[in-house]
Amino acid sequence: NAGVTQTPKFQVLKTGQSMTLQCAQDMNHEYMSWYRQDPGMGLRLIHYSVGAGITDQGEVPNGYNVSRSTTEDFPLRLLSAAPSQTSVYFCASSTTGTAQPQHFGDGTRLSIL
Amino acid sequence: AQSVAQPEDQVNVAEGNPLTVKCTYSVSGNPYLFWYVQYPNRGLQFLLKYITGDNLVKGSYGFEAEFNKSQTSFHLKKPSALVSDSALYFCAVRYTSGTYKYIFGTGTRLKVLA
Repeated sequence: NAGVTQTPKFQVLKTGQSMTLQCAQDMNHEYMSWYRQDPGMGLRLIHYSVGAGITDQGEVPNGYNVSRSTTEDFPLRLLSAAPSQTSVYFCASSTTGTAQPQHFGDGTRLSIL
Repeated sequence: AQSVAQPEDQVNVAEGNPLTVKCTYSVSGNPYLFWYVQYPNRGLQFLLKYITGDNLVKGSYGFEAEFNKSQTSFHLKKPSALVSDSALYFCAVRYTSGTYKYIFGTGTRLKVLA
């Protein structure tokens, strides 16, 4: 049981490049979400999903796209990377019957030059 | 507006002493409150939550938290700190009832000194 797997662990991009951060879970969780963690700002919700085909915006959605075609996968897309998107990105999952994000991946450290 | 505050960037405590990490919140309606811990280069780990019921909530690794409605606080506590408790701690609140949006505090770094 792998839990929540995020790939890649590290990535460096140039401004304007596109990229997809991958998140997969093997627990059949309906709820998945993406957060970014910045120093002094805690975690901020980017997008979330409560099931395949259902997504919604969080606190800081601009510059990011998501889709949920399967229960297992919830990729985060940066269409045109900007230096302000340099951050550590975390994916989390849980059942919708649980009140909170229960399982987190180990993060993707993204630098935009 | 919904918010959560962790007023201390860092808390230092001697091993064996009790520890408290503070959290205050502002939400409309009944709050759903949570504590998480983060070790270096890892994702967050869920510690405990308050939804309803007893104001003293017990969680993982000997941690507990006390919900105080009048003071709008949800402080994390442990009777006897361990060096291995040194980590970054986050308080979080569910945005509003019936949603899956969560607001996290800015985090408090706990340092337990041997």
